[in-house]
Amino acid sequence: DSGVTQTPKHLITATGQRVTLRCSPRSGDLSVYWYQQSLDQGLQFLIQYYNGEERAKGNILERFSAQQFPDLHSELNLSSLELGDSALYFCASSVGERGPEQYFGPGTRLTVT
Amino acid sequence: KNEVEQSPQNLTAQEGEFITINCSYSVGISALHWLQQHPGGGIVSLFMLSSGKKKHGRLIATINIQEKHSSLHITASHPRDSAVYICAVPGGGADGLTFGKGTHLIIQP
Repeated sequence: DSGVTQTPKHLITATGQRVTLRCSPRSGDLSVYWYQQSLDQGLQFLIQYYNGEERAKGNILERFSAQQFPDLHSELNLSSLELGDSALYFCASSVGERGPEQYFGPGTRLTVT
Repeated sequence: KNEVEQSPQNLTAQEGEFITINCSYSVGISALHWLQQHPGGGIVSLFMLSSGKKKHGRLIATINIQEKHSSLHITASHPRDSAVYICAVPGGGADGLTFGKGTHLIIQP
């Protein structure tokens, strides 16, 4: 158990809908990272927050957004969902802005039908 | 952007064999991560290393910073080692990771 929690574990929704994925980092960790794992693209970095502020953006679509709240939990919002958004979404946390080590949550499996 | 190459993509071995998985990257880094993903999806961080060698149980990770290459070794492999092993390096901005495509390892009894 990494200490990082994600909810929900599974999510099934229809195209065009909007969903919110939630991540709680390990106690004491200030950075939260979001990653997407799909069959065709593999694992890719979406976005990082550090102590409530956005720190880095990867391959995050404009239809996706995230935020980190004062209690340090983070939410990833996915809107106008398409079939291709079906994937595993992981969050990870670390102590600092640049790691050092990242601890991964169990993931949320999103299926868009 | 850092490019990460792993080899082999797939590896099937017999229980007890010594396993080596390789990872090469294109741009100098501060640290490299080895991750394990079991069927069912959860990702576990095995090692983070910036130089030399680390050992944890039957797992050994080495890195050669000059050659931009790392290896993950498994000694006395066991069927429970069957998983996907993924190499990752910083490269996504700040500390977002760039991942290799993974090595799918199957250890047969």
